[in-house]
Amino acid sequence: QKEVEQDPGPLSVPEGAIVSLNCTYSNSAFQYFMWYRQYSRKGPELLMYTYSSGNKEDGRFTAQVDKSSKYISLFIRDSQPSDSATYLCAMNRGGGADGLTFGKGTHLIIQP
Amino acid sequence: DAGVTQSPTHLIKTRGQQVTLRCSPISGHKSVSWYQQVLGQGPQFIFQYYEKEERGRGNFPDRFSARQFPNYSSELNVNALLLGDSALYLCASSQDPNTGELFFGEGSRLTVL
Repeated sequence: QKEVEQDPGPLSVPEGAIVSLNCTYSNSAFQYFMWYRQYSRKGPELLMYTYSSGNKEDGRFTAQVDKSSKYISLFIRDSQPSDSATYLCAMNRGGGADGLTFGKGTHLIIQP
Repeated sequence: DAGVTQSPTHLIKTRGQQVTLRCSPISGHKSVSWYQQVLGQGPQFIFQYYEKEERGRGNFPDRFSARQFPNYSSELNVNALLLGDSALYLCASSQDPNTGELFFGEGSRLTVL
C-alpha cells in the first residue's frame, strides 16, 4: 500500500460545476497537508496549506482534512477551463527531515 | 519578487555522464529541497538543505548529491546517469523547513539517452 493514494483520473466536468478531489493516506503521523496545481510541463504551484484537521477556504477553493479517516479533499467551486491541470496532494509529519509525500496527481479537465 | 529559479531548463545527457542542476531560492528563504518527478507520478523527495546543512534525504542512491551555498542557492549533482534518471527535477524553497510549505521552481527537464 502506498503512503498516499490519489485517483489519477482523468476527471472531466463541465464549466461551472463543483469539483471534488480526494486523497487517502496511511501514515497517521502526517500533520501538514497541501494541495498543489501543476500545469503541463510546469512546476507545482501551492494552492492550499492546512495544519491538522479542519477546513480552510480561499476564494473558490476549500480544503478539508479528516485525520480520523486519513482523508483529505479539495473542492473547487464555479470551475473554469483555466482550472484544467493536474492536482497533487502532499503531506508530511513536520520537522522537515522527510520531505513531502505526494500523491500521483489527478488530471482535471474542465469542459467549456 | 522573483520566485524559485532553476537552470538549465532542459538538458540531454548520455548514460554514464554526470549532471549538475542549479537552484536559487526565493529571497529570504533559507531552506531548499530537491524533488524528482517522473512522468505521470508525483514528485519524490531527494534532499532538503537548511542553512547549508543537509536536514533530510529521501530514498535515492549515493549517485545523487547536493549542497547549499552561503547565499542559500543550491546544486544537485547526479553521477553515472542511468536511463531511469530521466525526469523533471524540481527545486523548492521555504521560509520554515519544518512545515512543508514549499514553493517550487519550474524544474529542469533531464533526458538521459
